[in-house]
Amino acid sequence: AQSVTQLGSHVSVSEGALVLLRCNYSSSVPPYLFWYVQYPNQGLQLLLKYTSAATLVKGINGFEAEFKKSETSFHLTKPSAHMSDAAEYFCAVSDLNAGNMLTFGGGTRLMVKP
Amino acid sequence: GAGVSQTPSNKVTEKGKYVELRCDPISGHTALYWYRQSLGQGPEFLIYFQGTGAADDSGLPNDRFFAVRPEGSVSTLKIQRTERGDSAVYLCASSSLGALIEEQFFGPGTRLTVL
Repeated sequence: AQSVTQLGSHVSVSEGALVLLRCNYSSSVPPYLFWYVQYPNQGLQLLLKYTSAATLVKGINGFEAEFKKSETSFHLTKPSAHMSDAAEYFCAVSDLNAGNMLTFGGGTRLMVKP
Repeated sequence: GAGVSQTPSNKVTEKGKYVELRCDPISGHTALYWYRQSLGQGPEFLIYFQGTGAADDSGLPNDRFFAVRPEGSVSTLKIQRTERGDSAVYLCASSSLGALIEEQFFGPGTRLTVL
């Protein structure tokens, strides 16, 4: 069985500060990992995905994430937060044994202070 | 082109009633997924279609929930004898090939409230 844990249901940063959203996963096989963002009243939008090519994955809007197998982590970072980054972020995992379903973490709400 | 659309955007019903939620996937996408997102939680998988058939329905919570995709495009999620615990946002997603690494494109969801 797979699972995803996102540490911190709420994260607050100042505009221009580093953004770090944590994600740890559990999977019995090599995972595929995703980060999605959800703006208010909108659908989930893919930020980036890890599919075993490169461990450092770059996504949209300046976000990136690094796959660390030894730590079973896939933390999301952005060097400098913008006000427009305020949203809910979800980490998700999928693997061959789970068909095509995504297993999501509980989400982290990012707040950006001016 | 148009993204995934879901109707209605909001549905309020009474306990015990029957509801249908509709999903229009992106044209040409063969894979379609339903997820349920309760307040303050991440989405939970319900069912996955590849074409017209349900390839994986292991996430459906009980037999009150049923979904169809008769022509391999539009899908309807049906909930019988609704309960207050069914209140959630129901999300639909589609992808082009149904392969693991293909991006799932999500609709805005239907917010279901059972009174």
